[in-house]
Amino acid sequence: EADIYQTPRYLVIGTGKKITLECSQTMGHDKMYWYQQDPGMELHLIHYSYGVNSTEKGDLSSESTVSRIRTEHFPLTLESARPSHTSQYLCASSDETGANYGYTFGSGTRLTVV
Amino acid sequence: QKEVEQDPGPLSVPEGAIVSLNCTYSNSAFQYFMWYRQYSRKGPELLMYTYSSGNKEDGRFTAQVDKSSKYISLFIRDSQPSDSATYLCALILTGGGNKLTFGTGTQLKVEL
Repeated sequence: EADIYQTPRYLVIGTGKKITLECSQTMGHDKMYWYQQDPGMELHLIHYSYGVNSTEKGDLSSESTVSRIRTEHFPLTLESARPSHTSQYLCASSDETGANYGYTFGSGTRLTVV
Repeated sequence: QKEVEQDPGPLSVPEGAIVSLNCTYSNSAFQYFMWYRQYSRKGPELLMYTYSSGNKEDGRFTAQVDKSSKYISLFIRDSQPSDSATYLCALILTGGGNKLTFGTGTQLKVEL
């Protein structure tokens, strides 16, 4: 079944640690996105990619970085986690057909930095 | 002023009620309109998608777009407790690289 997967679902980690949030999709989508969402708040685009070796920063400034070495994989890395990074991180992908401009979202990673 | 405005709620209705959720937008270049549903601790899932003014119906859900007023709505008929979630409108700019601009979301609770 075509889908988008995020791991881990929950992560509690200490300040200063390096973390990588994983995102993989099996739909062959070229476009992938990372959003940050605080509880009860709107989604903010922090990174996006239009294909392999293409990455761009989103509307909300973030200290995280991303890479896109394979079409299906779009990991997000924080070199040194801080409590201000505590949030939910949502990965999404999309194709660009005229019939379906929707994004498919993963279930998210809820990150807590203590 | 935000590009997309959405009443954050929360909205609480009895089971069986008709629910109206609304968004307004300021940029007439928005040409594609969607509604997402997000359950607690889950990612958003696409409910409805349309690109023209008028109504689009899917079961108990109707999406309405009025481009002249820059106003979009989602109607839920015969609301069920399972409809309790946050509903987000999302819009795409023509030539905007397929990036979605989301509303802030309206939290809906349907009570027995």
